[in-house]
Amino acid sequence: AQSVTQPDIHITVSEGASLELRCNYSYGATPYLFWYVQSPGQGLQLLLKYFSGDTLVQGIKGFEAEFKRSQSSFNLRKPSVHWSDAAEYFCAVAPGALFGNEKLTFGTGTRLTIIP
Amino acid sequence: DVKVTQSSRYLVKRTGEKVFLECVQDMDHENMFWYRQDPGLGLRLIYFSYDVKMKEKGDIPEGYSVSREKKERFSLILESASTNQTSMYLCASSPLSGGRQSYTFGSGTRLTVV
Repeated sequence: AQSVTQPDIHITVSEGASLELRCNYSYGATPYLFWYVQSPGQGLQLLLKYFSGDTLVQGIKGFEAEFKRSQSSFNLRKPSVHWSDAAEYFCAVAPGALFGNEKLTFGTGTRLTIIP
Repeated sequence: DVKVTQSSRYLVKRTGEKVFLECVQDMDHENMFWYRQDPGLGLRLIYFSYDVKMKEKGDIPEGYSVSREKKERFSLILESASTNQTSMYLCASSPLSGGRQSYTFGSGTRLTVV
């Protein structure tokens, strides 16, 4: 079964600084990969997703992520964070080209705090 | 604006009560999901459904059941609520796509069992 690891439980970053959130997955083939964000008291919103092709994917709100097959990683990055980026971030994986298997497996999340 | 609506934001129930959590989507999605979210554990799948009257167990189905009588509605049932079911419950939906389509989430129901 696939699994997702987010090694950082909590990260604090100064406003304007760059950000990288780590995500590692465990799966035999190339899965479908997602990043979601959850603002306080809200459901999850999709930031970006990767299925195949260009390994650098762009998302909403200025976020990007890079798929590295050799490292089984899909890290999320942003060059300059804003106070409104404070939220919890979840990496998720779906099994890939296996029609009918629609389930996402989520990581445990990384809480991002922004300091002025 | 497409939506997944969960009927309650906050719910307080007593131990042993039967609890219904309701979720409605207006996007004609085939798939619907129930997750629970706990600090440090992320989101864990309880049940999901890929069609009316169809359901599959997720990773933590014990103590829960589900009902999907209509395509747009997916109910989570706690047959006899216990304090360890105090949690945030998130409903989501997606179109049938082999995993390529992202989920649309509801805002969640925070359930407290006392």
